[in-house]
Amino acid sequence: AQSVSQHNHHVILSEAASLELGCNYSYGGTVNLFWYVQYPGQHLQLLLKYFSGDPLVKGIKGFEAEFIKSKFSFNLRKPSVQWSDTAEYFCAVNEGNAGNMLTFGGGTRLMVKP
Amino acid sequence: DTGVSQNPRHKITKRGQNVTFRCDPISEHNRLYWYRQTLGQGPEFLTYFQNEAQLEKSRLLSDRFSAERPKGSFSTLEIQRTEQGDSAMYLCASSRVSDNEKLFFGSGTQLSVL
Repeated sequence: AQSVSQHNHHVILSEAASLELGCNYSYGGTVNLFWYVQYPGQHLQLLLKYFSGDPLVKGIKGFEAEFIKSKFSFNLRKPSVQWSDTAEYFCAVNEGNAGNMLTFGGGTRLMVKP
Repeated sequence: DTGVSQNPRHKITKRGQNVTFRCDPISEHNRLYWYRQTLGQGPEFLTYFQNEAQLEKSRLLSDRFSAERPKGSFSTLEIQRTEQGDSAMYLCASSRVSDNEKLFFGSGTQLSVL
């Protein structure tokens, strides 16, 4: 069974700092990759996704993620965080031919200090 | 989109009791998913429907859990003979077939088993 690891459980940054959240997965076949975000008091929502093509994908609110197949990684980045980016971030993987089952990582809680 | 609606928001029950949760997906979405999330963890896939057909079921879903989507619209998730380990947030999500990988999540039902 595949698994998803997010190594940073809690991250605290000051506004304008750069962000990189790590995500590694274990499945060796074709995968679809996602980052979901949950703002305080809100439901999970899609931040960005990768299916194929350019391994650098751009999402909403200035976020981007890079798929590195050789490293089984899909790290999330943002050059300059804002206080409003305070949220919990989840990486998720879907095997290319495994229907709609998403396997989520354990999440990273980001706190941005104003 | 009016969003995915889940009821109730909170449920407190005694061990051994049965509970039922309801999910109303976004109206034009024909795929519906149930996930479970415990504190400090990412969501875990439980099951999913396309219209009224239950197409995938996780090995995590014990015989005490049953889900239905009788008319291909709303869905119910029932847990029989609840155990303390069932305490979790139960999340529902829906998607279109044409963009099935983008899930729209509800706010969840928080179950506490005493």
